[in-house]
Amino acid sequence: SQKIEQNSEALNIQEGKTATLTCNYTNYSPAYLQWYRQDPGRGPVFLLLIRENEKEKRKERLKVTFDTTLKQSLFHITASQPADSATYLCARRPNSGYALNFGKGTSLLVTP
Amino acid sequence: GAGVSQSPRYKVAKRGQDVALRCDPISGHVSLFWYQQALGQGPEFLTYFQNEAQLDKSGLPSDRFFAERPEGSVSTLKIQRTQQEDSAVYLCASSLVAGGPSDTQYFGPGTRLTVL
Repeated sequence: SQKIEQNSEALNIQEGKTATLTCNYTNYSPAYLQWYRQDPGRGPVFLLLIRENEKEKRKERLKVTFDTTLKQSLFHITASQPADSATYLCARRPNSGYALNFGKGTSLLVTP
Repeated sequence: GAGVSQSPRYKVAKRGQDVALRCDPISGHVSLFWYQQALGQGPEFLTYFQNEAQLDKSGLPSDRFFAERPEGSVSTLKIQRTQQEDSAVYLCASSLVAGGPSDTQYFGPGTRLTVL
C-alpha cells in the first residue's frame, strides 16, 4: 500500500532556531508533495507545494526540499517563532483518484 | 463567503442516531472533498465531488455513510445509525479546479462528532 510517514514524535525547539520536519513515502514517487499547517480546532491550511522536478522551494521563512532518491521531503522553518507552533502535515496525491493522502503530522512547539 | 464553512461545529449523538453534517464550499469551487480525522491522525479521505457528481466514494467506511451535493455547491455528509467508532472530526475541503494533482485544497474548520 502507499504510505506517507512523518515523525511521530513532537518536535520542541527554542525560538530563533531552525525547525526541520521529515516526510517519507513508500512505493511510487508522487509528482507533487504538499505541506499544510493545522492549529488545534481548525482545518489544515496550505503552505507549500513542491514538484518532483524541483529540488527546493522557498516561501519567506519556509523551505521545502524533495529528494526522490531518498523518497523524502524535508520542511524547514528558519528563525522559528512561538507562533509557528502547530501540527504540520505532509500530503500527496496517489496515481489514481482525487484525494490527498496525508501523513499523521508532526507537532512543533517553539518555546521563547 | 470568504472561506469554507461547516456546521454544526460540534455534534453529540447517541449511538444509533442519524446525523447530517453540512459544508459550504468557497463560491465557484468545482471540487469538494470530505475527510475524517481521528485524534492524533492526519485526515483520511472519504469522498470527492466534481460539481454535483460524486466521482470517488472509495473512502466511505461503510454503507452507513452517504454524501450528496445536489446543486454543485453545498454538500451534506450523512451518517446513519452512528457508532462510537464514528467519533472524529469531519473536514470538508474545496478547490477551484477539477481535482488536479497540484490543486490547493481549502479546508473548513471541521465538525467534531462525538458518539456516546
